[in-house]
Amino acid sequence: GAGVSQTPSNKVTEKGKYVELRCDPISGHTALYWYRQSLGQGPEFLIYFQGTGAADDSGLPNDRFFAVRPEGSVSTLKIQRTERGDSAVYLCASSLTSGGRSNEQFFGPGTRLTVL
Amino acid sequence: GIQVEQSPPDLILQEGANSTLRCNFSDSVNNLQWFHQNPWGQLINLFYIPSGTKQNGRLSATTVATERYSLLYISSSQTTDSGVYFCAVDGGATNKLIFGTGTLLAVQP
Repeated sequence: GAGVSQTPSNKVTEKGKYVELRCDPISGHTALYWYRQSLGQGPEFLIYFQGTGAADDSGLPNDRFFAVRPEGSVSTLKIQRTERGDSAVYLCASSLTSGGRSNEQFFGPGTRLTVL
Repeated sequence: GIQVEQSPPDLILQEGANSTLRCNFSDSVNNLQWFHQNPWGQLINLFYIPSGTKQNGRLSATTVATERYSLLYISSSQTTDSGVYFCAVDGGATNKLIFGTGTLLAVQP
């Protein structure tokens, strides 16, 4: 079946602008995660959804970042007043649920965000 | 929070050689995954292995949970094995993965 998909694959924006990044998880996966990867580093956790609710948003760096998953499937990561330091690859992952082997996470190809 | 360390940070191999990558973690974990990040940035699942030993073709992995480490073995390496290998763990009450700093592998023909 189809894997996790993310759009757009690349996004270039100007400092101060608003951006939305979309994630479409694997069909049937109830858990969805957002991570951010800076050059030369491993991915860092941002937020985790179980169904429609954000079960853990402890990784969001500040209140400019927000994410939603209104119907428990597709998720949108929203960044307001973008800064140059927000430039990174934003990765989305999904898992069947949140316990045991069903917690194995599968990643999308990422959205490369560049803030000029 | 839980710490994840990987070694070596860089590795250069000749095609056909074998290698062992190590992941140490600082606390008990519920989930441990090994990933290969290819040159295009895609994270590819290699193993879900919170404990025990698994093999998939030329790759195998062992996690000794009581001693808080995991090993990834690559045998008969190929140029397509090049990329970054990440270990990631999920410990405690949350499901977020904590990634190590990765091992950058280059396999030369």
